[in-house]
Amino acid sequence: DAGVIQSPRHEVTEMGQEVTLRCKPISGHDYLFWYRQTMMRGLELLIYFNNNVPIDDSGMPEDRFSAKMPNASFSTLKIQPSEPRDSAVYFCASLKGFSYNEQFFGPGTRLTVL
Amino acid sequence: AQSVTQPDIHITVSEGASLELRCNYSYGATPYLFWYVQSPGQGLQLLLKYFSGDTLVQGIKGFEAEFKRSQSSFNLRKPSVHWSDAAEYFCAVGAKGGGNKLTFGTGTQLKVEL
Repeated sequence: DAGVIQSPRHEVTEMGQEVTLRCKPISGHDYLFWYRQTMMRGLELLIYFNNNVPIDDSGMPEDRFSAKMPNASFSTLKIQPSEPRDSAVYFCASLKGFSYNEQFFGPGTRLTVL
Repeated sequence: AQSVTQPDIHITVSEGASLELRCNYSYGATPYLFWYVQSPGQGLQLLLKYFSGDTLVQGIKGFEAEFKRSQSSFNLRKPSVHWSDAAEYFCAVGAKGGGNKLTFGTGTQLKVEL
């Protein structure tokens, strides 16, 4: 099993540009989570999906952020327009089933907005 | 809403010494509790979890944690630390019926001196 795959691993962009982060969950997993990690705020849950449906997006910081899961094997997190304060490591994680099974994390995407 | 506090931002121990990382949670009922570890440049990996029953839980890599309801704590322990244990450790809490949503602490960075 390849684990959770995220791309790109590193992204450097300029303020105002659109950024799209991608995630492929582990096959058969029905939950997908997007997290953001910064020194100041730690690890924050942005949004999570169950069976491709967004369940809780209360952590999405503002309208500039959007996430989609068009099918069970792919999700995107988009920031438009990007700002320097969006610089962080973004993690995707997936989980099979319910009752708090283990979340499997991807390696993360390090985003730098200049 | 549930919350987690990890009072120690950094801890340094000598290789072979014992380790205890502190975690305090806030939740009205019996929580689901977790410890995750993050090695440099990688995603998080589950060490252990507590749902109910025996308050002392064993995890991977020789770690254990004890749930103490009276102290609202779930401290992580290891009797003898190895240099490879240097990493960041996160405590997390989930609520029953919370749909697999976890709230993470801010993390404790562990340094191991040889």
